[in-house]
Amino acid sequence: SAVISQKPSRDICQRGTSLTIQCQVDSQVTMMFWYRQQPGQSLTLIATANQGSEATYESGFVIDKFPISRPNLTFSTLTVSNMSPEDSSIYLCSVEGLAYGELFFGEGSRLTVL
Amino acid sequence: AQSVTQPDIHITVSEGASLELRCNYSYGATPYLFWYVQSPGQGLQLLLKYFSGDTLVQGIKGFEAEFKRSQSSFNLRKPSVHWSDAAEYFCAVGASYSGGYQKVTFGTGTKLQVIP
Repeated sequence: SAVISQKPSRDICQRGTSLTIQCQVDSQVTMMFWYRQQPGQSLTLIATANQGSEATYESGFVIDKFPISRPNLTFSTLTVSNMSPEDSSIYLCSVEGLAYGELFFGEGSRLTVL
Repeated sequence: AQSVTQPDIHITVSEGASLELRCNYSYGATPYLFWYVQSPGQGLQLLLKYFSGDTLVQGIKGFEAEFKRSQSSFNLRKPSVHWSDAAEYFCAVGASYSGGYQKVTFGTGTKLQVIP
């Protein structure tokens, strides 16, 4: 299994600012996934990040709002740009295990936008 | 596109009682199905998965799930619930797309409360 560390674990931000969330994995992985979990809702995939290529965004998510970096096989960042209260969510980083679809998750970054 | 429905938002059971959480999926081919658990303040942990073969799959913590193709269901069960099972449970379906693109879609979750 993979151990995933996310920073920050929680933050309170002002409207209009940006926040970068870091995700560190203890092993090399090809794909990393960023999910959003809004209050009382399920997980929604934001984008898939492959090392050495542009991230693939899901419908409804754009690079200008959620830029992602993937500089190496163990690290990724997600930035939430120009935040509004609607961006208040838990953001989760995940990687795939040896079996397809078996995802390992970090503990999440709980973001509150005032 | 695949989708997952968990019809029960919240379920309360007594400790020691049996548990069944419902999950229905929609996917055009043979699905990959999963159950994840999320304890308060934690990330998600995989309980069990179904890819093919035996339709009754065993997972961790004494959980099992049964794949029923005719009903498009993948219900999670546990014969005797423990207080530590209180958490939120997510059913998920996975699919592969051309170019190796893979996507896991989650249901809206069922919150389990366990009472003494």
